[in-house]
Amino acid sequence: ILNVEQSPQSLHVQEGDSTNFTCSFPSSNFYALHWYRWETAKSPEALFVMTLNGDEKKKGRISATLNTKEGYSYLYIKGSQPEDSATYLCALLSGGSYIPTFGRGTSLIVHP
Amino acid sequence: DADVTQTPRNRITKTGKRIMLECSQTKGHDRMYWYRQDPGLGLRLIYYSFDVKDINKGEISDGYSVSRQAQAKFSLSLESAIPNQTALYFCATSDPGTSGYNEQFFGPGTRLTVL
Repeated sequence: ILNVEQSPQSLHVQEGDSTNFTCSFPSSNFYALHWYRWETAKSPEALFVMTLNGDEKKKGRISATLNTKEGYSYLYIKGSQPEDSATYLCALLSGGSYIPTFGRGTSLIVHP
Repeated sequence: DADVTQTPRNRITKTGKRIMLECSQTKGHDRMYWYRQDPGLGLRLIYYSFDVKDINKGEISDGYSVSRQAQAKFSLSLESAIPNQTALYFCATSDPGTSGYNEQFFGPGTRLTVL
């Protein structure tokens, strides 16, 4: 079982703050990493797939970076809004397996 | 219409009862998965199936069984439910060939409570 760690476990920020959180994973045999956004009472939905060392992906105010050599990915949210409140999950795919291993998630609450 | 549906959405049952959770999909994906989510523990894989004739155990398969009745249907059974199987259960599908490195598409979840 791969060890995929997310930190912090939860985060409270004020509207307008920028924030970031981390997904750490074993660097050996990396294949791909997904970030998912999971809003309360909804299903997780994919935000990004990261595949190459140095990848940077962006969708609106949300962006992600990847460092496969040191085994981490950052998710950044610029100017947080209440609608960004959700749990953000990362999921690792290692070479040879199509089965994702999920981290425990970071719960973000943005206060108006 | 939802691409991945789960029934029931909520279920309360008693210890020792047999329970079946059903998942259907219209995405045409071959791969289907069952996960459970417990507070603070993230999503853990119970079983997965890469096609109708393929069934594989995941990280936490003990106490569960599955049936892949068709490409579109994947059912999860709890043969004799116990309270520590109280959790939120998600079905998911994927198609590595077309959707970005095995991106998971999740159903709405089934909240199961075992008393």
